[in-house]
Amino acid sequence: GENVEQHPSTLSVQEGDSAVIKCTYSDSASNYFPWYKQELGKRPQLIIDIRSNVGEKKDQRIAVTLNKTAKHFSLHITETQPEDSAVYFCAARGGRVVMRFGAGTRLTVKP
Amino acid sequence: KAGVTQTPRYLIKTRGQQVTLSCSPISGHRSVSWYQQTPGQGLQFLFEYFSETQRNKGNFPGRFSGRQFSNSRSEMNVSTLELGDSALYLCASSLRRPSDNGELFFGEGSRLTVL
Repeated sequence: GENVEQHPSTLSVQEGDSAVIKCTYSDSASNYFPWYKQELGKRPQLIIDIRSNVGEKKDQRIAVTLNKTAKHFSLHITETQPEDSAVYFCAARGGRVVMRFGAGTRLTVKP
Repeated sequence: KAGVTQTPRYLIKTRGQQVTLSCSPISGHRSVSWYQQTPGQGLQFLFEYFSETQRNKGNFPGRFSGRQFSNSRSEMNVSTLELGDSALYLCASSLRRPSDNGELFFGEGSRLTVL
């Protein structure tokens, strides 16, 4: 089945710096790669997703890149702000593969 | 529009007991999936339902079961509870069928503690 590895598990940056979270997946049938943000004590919420027919997608300060050959995708957050502090989960699914989540990255943005 | 509602929000059980958790999806959503969240393990997939049919099941023992009703509401049941079942159980609904990869809308979860 699909296996999603996520790194790093914790990430601390200074406000205004960039943050990058990386994920790898194992099943070549995967074609949908969402990212969810979970603030402390709250429910996970989708922040951006990418499908396998594109290599990059941007939404304001957030971008996701996908390398299907290498089976990895990354989340990039620029000009980080304290409200970006949360746990971020990557996920992958496609075809008959169920949604598999990474173990999460706890991002702390220090003011 | 109301979000995904999960009940109960918190519950404490003892080993050997069973528990039933309920999830009401967003109106119009027919896909419901369940996840177990534990510290350091992320979200582990449990089940996925669409139109009252279980479409996929994760790698959990048979003590974990679920179902979906005609109004798309879903329940999951865990029998013979073990200490390791303590976790936050999250339900998510989607407007699209599972294979169409739609956005998941999560509930706030049911936090189960097994003593």
